[in-house]
Amino acid sequence: DQQVKQNSPSLSVQEGRISILNCDYTNSMFDYFLWYKKYPAEGPTFLISISSIKDKNEDGRFTVFLNKSAKHLSLHIVPSQPGDSAVYFCAAGRSGSARQLTFGSGTQLTVLP
Amino acid sequence: DVKVTQSSRYLVKRTGEKVFLECVQDMDHENMFWYRQDPGLGLRLIYFSYDVKMKEKGDIPEGYSVSREKKERFSLILESASTNQTSMYLCASIIRTGLGRTEAFFGQGTRLTVV
Repeated sequence: DQQVKQNSPSLSVQEGRISILNCDYTNSMFDYFLWYKKYPAEGPTFLISISSIKDKNEDGRFTVFLNKSAKHLSLHIVPSQPGDSAVYFCAAGRSGSARQLTFGSGTQLTVLP
Repeated sequence: DVKVTQSSRYLVKRTGEKVFLECVQDMDHENMFWYRQDPGLGLRLIYFSYDVKMKEKGDIPEGYSVSREKKERFSLILESASTNQTSMYLCASIIRTGLGRTEAFFGQGTRLTVV
């Protein structure tokens, strides 16, 4: 049972445009969410996070939106750059859980020059 | 900067071999995790450890074991490697910040091929 789902395995966007990556979750106990970025042959690196008490968090070109009623979060990248091309993983966590984080299956973003 | 180091970037092993994947972190974190990444399946949790000599099974522990003899080192062991264990293996060290946020720091990954 996948508790965190990224339904789009890939996304292509033109440079300068907005990239929107989506993530859905089923466990209402999750109370914080993170996005990780992964280049080939490297480990994932932390990008941005959001707590369930917020509905938006912004860091430069990256903004994460959380819709708790829909159990949906999205990552917006504006403007998209070719260096943003990578696999993006959504992760969810529950305070006090030893398991810490549950990851989605990832979305391959390709930003076309 | 937190550093998580995996001992090998690439490994090729034969079916039936015992394989050790080593992971070391330098930030005195208590929680360490082993994931495998496969196309379309994302990061799947194999085992994790929240303290020395403590270990918990993740979602796909079959065929694997782990060892945490020291806080900074978390080893993943493939008892008898099989071709379906060909994958990218990622070690992570996880910390809860003062804001209650959890952040995972990953190693560079080990691409294991079992032939």
